[in-house]
Amino acid sequence: KAGVTQTPRYLIKTRGQQVTLSCSPISGHRSVSWYQQTPGQGLQFLFEYFSETQRNKGNFPGRFSGRQFSNSRSEMNVSTLELGDSALYLCASRIGASSHGYTFGSGTRLTVV
Amino acid sequence: GDSVTQMEGPVTLSEEAFLTINCTYTATGYPSLFWYVQYPGEGLQLLLKATKADDKGSNKGFEATYRKETTSFHLEKGSVQVSDSAVYFCALSKVPTGNQFYFGTGTSLTVIP
Repeated sequence: KAGVTQTPRYLIKTRGQQVTLSCSPISGHRSVSWYQQTPGQGLQFLFEYFSETQRNKGNFPGRFSGRQFSNSRSEMNVSTLELGDSALYLCASRIGASSHGYTFGSGTRLTVV
Repeated sequence: GDSVTQMEGPVTLSEEAFLTINCTYTATGYPSLFWYVQYPGEGLQLLLKATKADDKGSNKGFEATYRKETTSFHLEKGSVQVSDSAVYFCALSKVPTGNQFYFGTGTSLTVIP
């Protein structure tokens, strides 16, 4: 059974550019969440999607957006990149109820220069 | 608001030593509690979970008991191995308030031979 797949694994972008990260959840998982991990702030919740609808959003500026497709694949987009956006972005999927826990992907390491 | 407080690291132990990583939480209602582990360059892997008070989660020799009276979920292992070296995250999640996870800051464990 394939795990959560995130692409690309590594990305280097310049300040002011925009970036799109992709996440393919485990087959059958309809909920996809995104987290930002930085040494200073730890793991911070970005947003969660279920059946193509955003169900919850963390405390991030509007430059951070996401979407989910009918096949449950998800993308997140960051516009007008800042140096502080450099982080490991983790995608996680689960079947439904919170007690099942997430299955995480290996993440996309974004470096903004 | 809901939150998780985790023991500060880093922690360095000799092989076969006893491990305890403290975790306490603040939450209304009845959260589910989790321990995740992150190996270098990887995403998070679910280590164990407990969904109600007095439940004990266990996996790979690690254990944690959901203590509602002390709002704690401490991680323990009787004899650590070099391969246990990783960062450990305590987390909570609740239904139905958005299903997001609240993570602790992580505790880095290094086991030396």
